[in-house]
Amino acid sequence: KAGVTQTPRYLIKTRGQQVTLSCSPISGHRSVSWYQQTPGQGLQFLFEYFSETQRNKGNFPGRFSGRQFSNSRSEMNVSTLELGDSALYLCASSSRQGVNYGYTFGSGTRLTVV
Amino acid sequence: QKEVEQNSGPLSVPEGAIASLNCTYSDRGSQSFFWYRQYSGKSPELIMFIYSNGDKEDGRFTAQLNKASQYVSLLIRDSQPSDSATYLCAVKASGTYKYIFGTGTRLKVLA
Repeated sequence: KAGVTQTPRYLIKTRGQQVTLSCSPISGHRSVSWYQQTPGQGLQFLFEYFSETQRNKGNFPGRFSGRQFSNSRSEMNVSTLELGDSALYLCASSSRQGVNYGYTFGSGTRLTVV
Repeated sequence: QKEVEQNSGPLSVPEGAIASLNCTYSDRGSQSFFWYRQYSGKSPELIMFIYSNGDKEDGRFTAQLNKASQYVSLLIRDSQPSDSATYLCAVKASGTYKYIFGTGTRLKVLA
């Protein structure tokens, strides 16, 4: 069974640019969540999607947005990049019941903003 | 007060010993609690989840939950050098689909 796939693995962007990250969940998993991980703040919740609907959003500025497609794949977009957006972005999926059984994380996208 | 608190460590234990990792949380309505292990440069992987007060055992791992005192702990018996990693406690925020993570405890098992 394939795991959670995130692309790309690494990205280097310049301040002011925008970036789109992609996540393909485990087959059959309909819930996709996104987290930002930094050394100082740890894992911070960005948003969660289920059946193309955003059910929860974290405390991030509007520059961070996401969406989920009908096949459960999800994308996350960050516009007007800032140096502080440099982080590991992790996507995690779970089945409907699995929302209470924890996540399976992807390998992450390492974003560096210069 | 942080929503989920863990001692950052490092917690150093000798090989074969019991490692005890602790976590406290602030949301009294939380019902679901998780432990993840994260090796350096890797993504977190789920070790255990617990919903009910008391102990839950899985192999060398035991999760303990005390909702009245709002703490969760993870015991690792017969610790091995391969257990050296950062252990993240996560709590599902009540009434949401959001998980709040602690900043993790770094465990070092000394051979």
